[in-house]
Amino acid sequence: DIQMTQSPSSLSASVGDRVTITCRASQSIRSFLNWYQQKPGKAPKLLIYAASSLQSGVPSRFSGSGSGTDFTLTISSLQPEDFATYYCQQSYSNPLFTFGPGTKVDIK
Amino acid sequence: QVQLQESGPGLVNPSETLSLTCTVSGGSIGGYYWSWIRQPPGKGLEWIGYIYYSGSTNYSPSLKSRVTISVDTSKNQFSLKLNSVTAADTAVYYCARARQVWDLPEPSYFDYWGQGTLVTVSS
Repeated sequence: DIQMTQSPSSLSASVGDRVTITCRASQSIRSFLNWYQQKPGKAPKLLIYAASSLQSGVPSRFSGSGSGTDFTLTISSLQPEDFATYYCQQSYSNPLFTFGPGTKVDIK
Repeated sequence: QVQLQESGPGLVNPSETLSLTCTVSGGSIGGYYWSWIRQPPGKGLEWIGYIYYSGSTNYSPSLKSRVTISVDTSKNQFSLKLNSVTAADTAVYYCARARQVWDLPEPSYFDYWGQGTLVTVSS
């Protein structure tokens, strides 16, 4: 099975900060990597699919990059509504989709 | 705007069957893949399985022996059954639409989600 790890597991940041979250796969998953944002008590929301494609309606301050085993989600200027938990998800080993453990972004 | 809504019992006895339905509105269930994903309280996300509108399915290997996903296109609904449940199956259960990338036949990501429903396994 492909294992997904994320770092850091949590971070504290201020409004306006540039935030980078890393996701690593235990083997190459090419670009089959997606990112979601989840706020407490809410369903996850798709941000980025296929490693770097921005989902319709998602602000352009969110961007994704990477391929193979290492991926990053970047928030260029953190906004108050961005405080949430972020998950990566691989689909290379379809039909077994796996999610990373999450990165919680909170207010410094 | 596509909307998904989960429904079903919030409490299930151990060893019995968990049954949930997802109703899709604002769009047709036809032509798409549909999935179930769960999240134990305070923990991460676990994919359960998906179904194509035609009825073909794929399940997580860890749950495959206990899971059945079915679709009713006439009602624009799909359903989840998980049998022989234990406390470890206590979770928020989400239904979601699954999409393909790069014209590949299989789905890759989840673009629309239901709000989720908490199912507790307890006597």
